[in-house]
Formats: sequence, C-alpha cells, structure tokens
Amino acid sequence: AQTVTQSQPEMSVQEAETVTLSCTYDTSENNYYLFWYKQPPSRQMILVIRQEAYKQQNATENRFSVNFQKAAKSFSLKISDSQLGDTAMYFCAFMKSNNAGNMLTFGGGTRLMVKP
Amino acid sequence: DTGVSQDPRHKITKRGQNVTFRCDPISEHNRLYWYRQTLGQGPEFLTYFQNEAQLEKSRLLSDRFSAERPKGSFSTLEIQRTEQGDSAMYLCASRPPGTASRAFFGQGTRLTVV
Repeated sequence: AQTVTQSQPEMSVQEAETVTLSCTYDTSENNYYLFWYKQPPSRQMILVIRQEAYKQQNATENRFSVNFQKAAKSFSLKISDSQLGDTAMYFCAFMKSNNAGNMLTFGGGTRLMVKP
Repeated sequence: DTGVSQDPRHKITKRGQNVTFRCDPISEHNRLYWYRQTLGQGPEFLTYFQNEAQLEKSRLLSDRFSAERPKGSFSTLEIQRTEQGDSAMYLCASRPPGTASRAFFGQGTRLTVV
C-alpha cells in the first residue's frame, strides 16, 4: 500500500514571496504519478500540477513548480510570487500508473495562508 | 461542460437515519470515484466505478454503505443507519478514459450526523 505524508500542517507566507510545501511518499511501485491539488475554502479540489515518475525533469505550471526526488521519494511544491488567492489547503497525492482504477492516495494536507 | 456536481451540498441527519447523496459526473467521463474527507484530513478512497460497474471498494466502505451508478451516468451513495463517525465531506470525482487523465472533483456533500 502507498502512503503519502505532508509534515507541515500549516504554513504562511507574505504576498509576493516564495513558499515550499513538503511531501514524502512510500511505495514499491516504479511507475506512478504524483499530484498537488488545491482545495480553497468551500470550493472543489483542483489540480495544480502533475509529475510522471518516469520523467526526470521537474514539472512547472506558471508560478508553481515541483522538486521531484525519486530516490528520496520526495515531491515538494514551490509557489513563487504568492498571491492572496493561493490561500487554500494543498494536498499531495499519489497514483499508480498500472492500476485500472487509478484512484488517488492523498496526504493529510497543508493549510497555506498568504498574508497581505 | 458544467463540471462535477453533487447534491445536496449539506446534509444534517439524526443518528440512525438513512441518507443518500448524488453525483453527476462530467459527461463522457467513464470513471467515477467517491472519497471521504474528515475535518483536517486528506480525502480517502471509498469506491470506484467504470461505467456502471463498481470495480473496487475500500475497506472503509462498511456494509452500511452502498453505491450505485445505473447506466453509467450519475451515481448515488447511500449510508444506512448513520453514525456520528460518518460525519464527513463526501467527494465525488470523475475522469475520462486514459491512464494519465486528470480527475475532476465536485464540491462535495458535507454530512453532519447529530
């Protein structure tokens, strides 16, 4: 079974600054996907960024980038130029790529507060 | 494309009552998932449908829980004889065919059992 751990329950950052959210996972799989999802208050979860394990290059999406360290089983999210709208719960998630169901295993989440 | 919709958004029920939630996935999405999210935690997988077939169920899905997806369209999740421990947010997600396809989540149904 896979486990995903987010060791930072809460974080805060000043607007326009950079913040990094940590995530580690445990799996015996070699092929898988990792995700960061954002869940704003009272709104649905949306995908922020995705990383395929077979790709060495770290994924980037505008102000969001990841640091994927496969050997260390680490997958951190960096948010640059933080904006007030980035305030949300952030969940790291794991998905096996060879499973027909492709269900997600989530970490416990990190609550991010962006301060003006 | 109006996204994944869930109904109701909130439900308060007395312990012992039955409740039913509905999820309407994005059209053409053949896969549908139910997750449960307790306060301050990440979502946990409950069950998965491919079209109308329920292909996987978590051990979290006790005998009091049942899910259906008739005709491979909308899905319902029923909880019988609710307990206070069932209080949680119930999330539905759908995804189109393809291993790498992304999942789209609904806003969830928040259940409070009093």
